[in-house]
Amino acid sequence: EVQLVESGGGFVQPGGSLILSCVASGLIFKDSWMAWVRQAPGKGLEWVANINPDGSQIYYSDSVRGRFTMSRDNAKNSVYLQMNNLRVDDASVYYCARDPHYAALDYWGQGTLVTVSS
Amino acid sequence: DVVMTQSPLSLPVTLGQPASISCRSSQSLVHSDGNTYLTWFQQRPGQSPRRLIYAVSNRDSGVPDRFSGSGSGTDFTLRISRVEAEDVGVYYCMQGTHWPPTFGQGTKVEIE
Repeated sequence: EVQLVESGGGFVQPGGSLILSCVASGLIFKDSWMAWVRQAPGKGLEWVANINPDGSQIYYSDSVRGRFTMSRDNAKNSVYLQMNNLRVDDASVYYCARDPHYAALDYWGQGTLVTVSS
Repeated sequence: DVVMTQSPLSLPVTLGQPASISCRSSQSLVHSDGNTYLTWFQQRPGQSPRRLIYAVSNRDSGVPDRFSGSGSGTDFTLRISRVEAEDVGVYYCMQGTHWPPTFGQGTKVEIE
């Protein structure tokens, strides 16, 4: 059974930082593209970033580029999202997902909530 | 960015009756490799999204066969042949052909 488990969410003030983690099991992680997708409270889904299997290619949405950094550690079956200079509109549930091919995300974690408020 | 427009945004349905959700893209979703990367997700209340359909019409393992996807180019449809109570939730289409991947606004399916 594939499992993706996110952690690291919490409360932060505008301008602050957080690091999200996602640990994967039940899949061949080192061969998998991975993605982060977010969902603001009561809103729809928004693509954040994705990363190729060896971490050499990372793509970001315009809304987070320059502030967020996605990375991975294949030895730990983990992906990360370093979020800096957080804004109120970054407040969302952040989901980790596997991206098997052209964003057709087939496995999702349960999500971790990030709250940004003064 | 490619804009994905779903309709309707709210869909009250009667149990056992069919339901249909439209998804239109602002550009053709046919990739240069000939494939069309259009995916449908279901998000039940309080749950994470779940993939139902990929590449327009391919149903995921474990997805009931009452769900089907169709379409081409810029017009796509998700159909539920006979709605059941467990189908309540929000349905999203998403394109992966053009960067960045973009989602539709979501269609809320509820039982009337």
